[in-house]
Amino acid sequence: DVKVTQSSRYLVKRTGEKVFLECVQDMDHENMFWYRQDPGLGLRLIYFSYDVKMKEKGDIPEGYSVSREKKERFSLILESASTNQTSMYLCASLLGQNLNYGYTFGSGTRLTVV
Amino acid sequence: AQSVSQHNHHVILSEAASLELGCNYSYGGTVNLFWYVQYPGQHLQLLLKYFSGDPLVKGIKGFEAEFIKSKFSFNLRKPSVQWSDTAEYFCAVNINDYKLSFGAGTTVTVRA
Repeated sequence: DVKVTQSSRYLVKRTGEKVFLECVQDMDHENMFWYRQDPGLGLRLIYFSYDVKMKEKGDIPEGYSVSREKKERFSLILESASTNQTSMYLCASLLGQNLNYGYTFGSGTRLTVV
Repeated sequence: AQSVSQHNHHVILSEAASLELGCNYSYGGTVNLFWYVQYPGQHLQLLLKYFSGDPLVKGIKGFEAEFIKSKFSFNLRKPSVQWSDTAEYFCAVNINDYKLSFGAGTTVTVRA
């Protein structure tokens, strides 16, 4: 089974802090994604990466950046955390463009910005 | 982003009742359609998918969904729910590339 591991399950940070959310997958998937999940809004795509050092903005990239220095690791960065970034953050990976098995999701990181 | 609408925010059912969750999308071309489920405390997992062919697709745990192109719909159904079906259900759409656009989700609570 492919595993997508998010380093923290719960995180509490202060407004203005720089925050790093880490995601690692163990099956050599090319594509990785960061979503945020909010009640009543579902999942919204923040950024995705289709290869090492490659990235594309999703639907809500403002206030976020990403880093993909190695194929297995995709980091989400909040440059200066704000309270409206309090959310559940989900990482996912996908092999090539094969959607037959869908995305593999991590368990999520619940971030609270105070 | 493509628009995906899920009609119900929260559905409460008794065990053995039938379930139908609505999903509509706003793209007029070829789409791939998915339903994902998130059980309490667990990660999102694929329930079923539609790419082409028979518009009635069957997934895991007795779920099925019907693609009706003329209605831009992909509704999820289960004839008889169990307490273990308590979860949040998300409809998702893919067009042209491999990104997914998700609906807002429907929370299903099954009472024993």
